[in-house]
Amino acid sequence: NAGVTQTPKFQVLKTGQSMTLQCAQDMNHEYMSWYRQDPGMGLRLIHYSVGAGITDQGEVPNGYNVSRSTTEDFPLRLLSAAPSQTSVYFCASSYGPPGSRNQPQHFGDGTRLSIL
Amino acid sequence: GIQVEQSPPDLILQEGANSTLRCNFSDSVNNLQWFHQNPWGQLINLFYIPSGTKQNGRLSATTVATERYSLLYISSSQTTDSGVYFCAVEGAQKLVFGQGTRLTINP
Repeated sequence: NAGVTQTPKFQVLKTGQSMTLQCAQDMNHEYMSWYRQDPGMGLRLIHYSVGAGITDQGEVPNGYNVSRSTTEDFPLRLLSAAPSQTSVYFCASSYGPPGSRNQPQHFGDGTRLSIL
Repeated sequence: GIQVEQSPPDLILQEGANSTLRCNFSDSVNNLQWFHQNPWGQLINLFYIPSGTKQNGRLSATTVATERYSLLYISSSQTTDSGVYFCAVEGAQKLVFGQGTRLTINP
């Protein structure tokens, strides 16, 4: 049971490049989400999905796109990378949204992204 | 939206000491979790505790939902307890994180 798998673990991009951060879970979780973590700060929600075909914006969605074509996968796309997007990105999943009872979030190990 | 505040922001202790970390939140919640981010950056789920008390080894947590706070206790600290501790609460289908408490345990 792999849990939540994020790839790549590290990536360096040049300003203006695009890329996709991959997230996959094998727990049949309906709810998936992406966060970014910047130095000295907690995690901030970028986008989330309550099920296949349904996505919504979080606190800091600008510059990012998501799609949810399957239950297992929730990729995060950077359209045109900017230095302000240098951060550590975490993907998380749970059976239901955080407002549901007894829905602990399971996190991937993160992707460390640097934009030059 | 819901606000989450953690204190203290930093805590430095000697091995063997006990510690208490606090999480205050601004509204009633159905979901409160404590996480440990280890020095390698991994987020480990410690407790799911919207109310009451739970214990897991040297760690325990108490949430008083009516007074909107939660406490994380670490007893007999070890160097492996070092890292950042986050609490997170739910707000409208989203988890809202506090800014964390950085705990350093010196040998």
